[in-house]
Amino acid sequence: QKEVEQNSGPLSVPEGAIASLNCTYSDRGSQSFFWYRQYSGKSPELIMFIYSNGDKEDGRFTAQLNKASQYVSLLIRDSQPSDSATYLCAVNGRNDYKLSFGAGTTVTVRA
Amino acid sequence: GAVVSQHPSWVICKSGTSVKIECRSLDFQATTMFWYRQFPKQSLMLMATSNEGSKATYEQGVEKDKFLINHASLTLSTLTVTSAHPEDSSFYICSASLLGQGEKDQPQHFGDGTRLSIL
Repeated sequence: QKEVEQNSGPLSVPEGAIASLNCTYSDRGSQSFFWYRQYSGKSPELIMFIYSNGDKEDGRFTAQLNKASQYVSLLIRDSQPSDSATYLCAVNGRNDYKLSFGAGTTVTVRA
Repeated sequence: GAVVSQHPSWVICKSGTSVKIECRSLDFQATTMFWYRQFPKQSLMLMATSNEGSKATYEQGVEKDKFLINHASLTLSTLTVTSAHPEDSSFYICSASLLGQGEKDQPQHFGDGTRLSIL
């Protein structure tokens, strides 16, 4: 079983809609969860991080964490064409600082 | 804040050449830096963890004699790909974090990456 799994893409949404990205992780002791955005040919850019159960909002982005279900999600509200990218879910290990990345979900926002 | 600079952005060189990539944290001190490799259409693969003043910790399957890592200061880590061959062609990305400074869970911030092409 992979450590971090993301819902398979690609995900296509119309402009203005909500894009919903899901991620599950296998290590129940994981404590820190991150969402990165990666444009084609570029390096990852931090979007959100969350440590506690519940929701965390930052502008049009909302991260949701449920440690009991080992599940973290990212919602993008009012999606814009500039949101078209691959979104990477990353999880810190229980006892170290290393990140485990999911395979990524590619999002395309249709104008 | 938390800007990470990586240089060079692109390298094209002949097989057998050694290539050095620099990673700098510009506005913070990073006791720990990470080196990743990413092949097309794949996610990031951690190669090694670089700690200032000590030897790097390599992931399983990564040849430490081929990928030399030096972390001589709190703001600079270098990766040298020795005797590079076409199969080493990839996108190499470093990251840095405020780890070890009372901020265990601080995010990693990535450099812009180095695209390495070995002919």
